[in-house]
Amino acid sequence: GQQLNQSPQSMFIQEGEDVSMNCTSSSIFNTWLWYKQDPGEGPVLLIALYKAGELTSNGRLTAQFGTTRKDSFLNISASIPSDVGIYFCAGQLFFGNEKLTFGTGTRLTIIP
Amino acid sequence: ETGVTQTPRHLVMGMTNKKSLKCEQHLGHNAMYWYKQSAKKPLELMFVYNFKEQTENNSVPSRFSPECPNSSHLFLHLHTLQPEDSALYLCASSHKGTDTQYFGPGTRLTVL
Repeated sequence: GQQLNQSPQSMFIQEGEDVSMNCTSSSIFNTWLWYKQDPGEGPVLLIALYKAGELTSNGRLTAQFGTTRKDSFLNISASIPSDVGIYFCAGQLFFGNEKLTFGTGTRLTIIP
Repeated sequence: ETGVTQTPRHLVMGMTNKKSLKCEQHLGHNAMYWYKQSAKKPLELMFVYNFKEQTENNSVPSRFSPECPNSSHLFLHLHTLQPEDSALYLCASSHKGTDTQYFGPGTRLTVL
């Protein structure tokens, strides 16, 4: 089956630093999604990407749909304490099919 | 608050018990999902319902039995579970055929 490889698995940064993470696959995806999960909660959608090369921002978050359609990137600028959590990428193989494939997540920790 | 609620939030059960998880969505969606989230593993899709009809069963053991009486409610009936079934069970909903899924907070299940 399809697999999404997320890296890094975990990050330890200081408040104010920028963060970059990515997601790669051996398959081409039609849609890329980025979710954040806080402890004890379900994932919350951050950004959705629908076209190769697309760059979309949501506040301090920016995500890109890779030109090969096999990868996606998420950047967080000027991190703050509430950015702590696990970030998941998800891909949709076929338009009109609800099935999503999820990555293993990147755990972000902010060091005081 | 994503518009998807799950009860209970925590559940501890023995292997011979029968229990049910409940999910309700207030978003007017017509597709609902059950996912299993275990430590250090990607979210695993278990079941998909579209317009109350089950359209996906991802090789889930029969000790998990879903029920979708209408487009707003989804249940997961549990019986004779195993300790390895301990995990966070997440419910999600979306419009049929779309990728944007909204997740509930999950039920943390522990099987003793």
